[in-house]
Formats: sequence, C-alpha cells, structure tokens
Amino acid sequence: AQKITQTQPGMFVQEKEAVTLDCTYDTSDQSYGLFWYKQPSSGEMIFLIYQGSYDEQNATEGRYSLNFQKARKSANLVISASQLGDSAMYFCAMREGPTGGGNKLTFGTGTQLKVEL
Amino acid sequence: NAGVTQTPKFQVLKTGQSMTLQCAQDMNHNSMYWYRQDPGMGLRLIYYSASEGTTDKGEVPNGYNVSRLNKREFSLRLESAAPSQTSVYFCASSERETAKNIQYFGAGTRLSVL
Repeated sequence: AQKITQTQPGMFVQEKEAVTLDCTYDTSDQSYGLFWYKQPSSGEMIFLIYQGSYDEQNATEGRYSLNFQKARKSANLVISASQLGDSAMYFCAMREGPTGGGNKLTFGTGTQLKVEL
Repeated sequence: NAGVTQTPKFQVLKTGQSMTLQCAQDMNHNSMYWYRQDPGMGLRLIYYSASEGTTDKGEVPNGYNVSRLNKREFSLRLESAAPSQTSVYFCASSERETAKNIQYFGAGTRLSVL
C-alpha cells in the first residue's frame, strides 16, 4: 500500500484564489511528521511546511497552511491568495517514527499546480 | 549561504561507465541522504547517513555505493552505470536534534546513461 497518496496529478487555480492540494498517508506509528515541498520548474526542492503528529494546531507558514485531520490520515496543503510564482510541483512527504538520526522521508507522486491569470 | 551543494549539475554516461556524485553541506548537519527522482514516482531514498561514520540502505540501493567522507560530505557512486539509472539525483541534509528534522535539498544532478 502507498504510504503517501496524492490523488491530484494536476490542478488549476485562478490568481488570488485559494487552492487545496490533497495528501493522505498510511502509518501505524504514533509519532510521525508530515512535510510539504515545492519543486518549481528550475528543479530544486523547497521546504514549505511541517506538521508533527502530536501538534494540536494546524501548521501555518505565511500563505501556506496545513489542514491536518489525524483520524482521516490526511494532511492537505492550503495555499491562500495564489500567485503566478506558486506554479510548481508540490510533494507531500512523511517521516515515520520520532525525530532522530537518519529520519527517512517517503514522498508522494506530487501534484502539478498551475496558477492562471 | 550555500546550504547543500551538488556536483556536477549534469552528466551523460555510457552504459558500464562509473562516476561519483558529490554532495557537501555547510549547515553542520549530522544526517545526509541521497534520493533519486523519476517521472511520476516522486523521490525515492537510495542511501542515507544518520551521522558521520554510518551509512544505511534506503528503498532503492542496488547499483549504488556511498561514502560519508566527513561530516560535510556524502558521495554517491555508480560503479557500472545502467540506463535504468537515468534520473535526477538529489542530496539532502538534516539536523537530527531538532524537533522537525527538516531535510534541505541540493539543486540536483541530472544524469543520463546511454
């Protein structure tokens, strides 16, 4: 079974609108972390936001927020007030187990977001 | 403000050739990682090094070897390149003592094996 599932291969959003990118995960660990990365066309991987499994509040970083629903095992990324520069591939990733040395990440297949005028 | 530096950025090899991908980080991180990215498959972990002096296999280690040369440097070696190793390779590092343990990535190496 896939540990990270991103069901939206591509998404379109109008500039200045909000968009939600879906991510569901599968783990039996109680302690884990969820990450979102952005990959623009230039190819680098840019960290956006982190949610720990024990965090009681949803994470926010500027225009990015993470809608964390633990019981449903979902960690959706919400981008508010979309900008043209948000056009990129977005990856959801999971770290299983508590933090420590060599915490491996499992990545989803990504969602390609296109922001339109 | 270098962060994670990978060399080379691009490489073309013939089947059977060998090469080493270099990675260095200047953030004093303990842990380092090598991933490959193939179309439609996201990133997959090849090898990682939790700390200086240790290395472990990830999800797709076959055909690769690694060396953690020191705390800063972590190299990936292809001994006999195969067309199936055509991919984009990313190196990453993280500080294991922090609560989040965020991995920071290099710009990637685009490798083609003919």
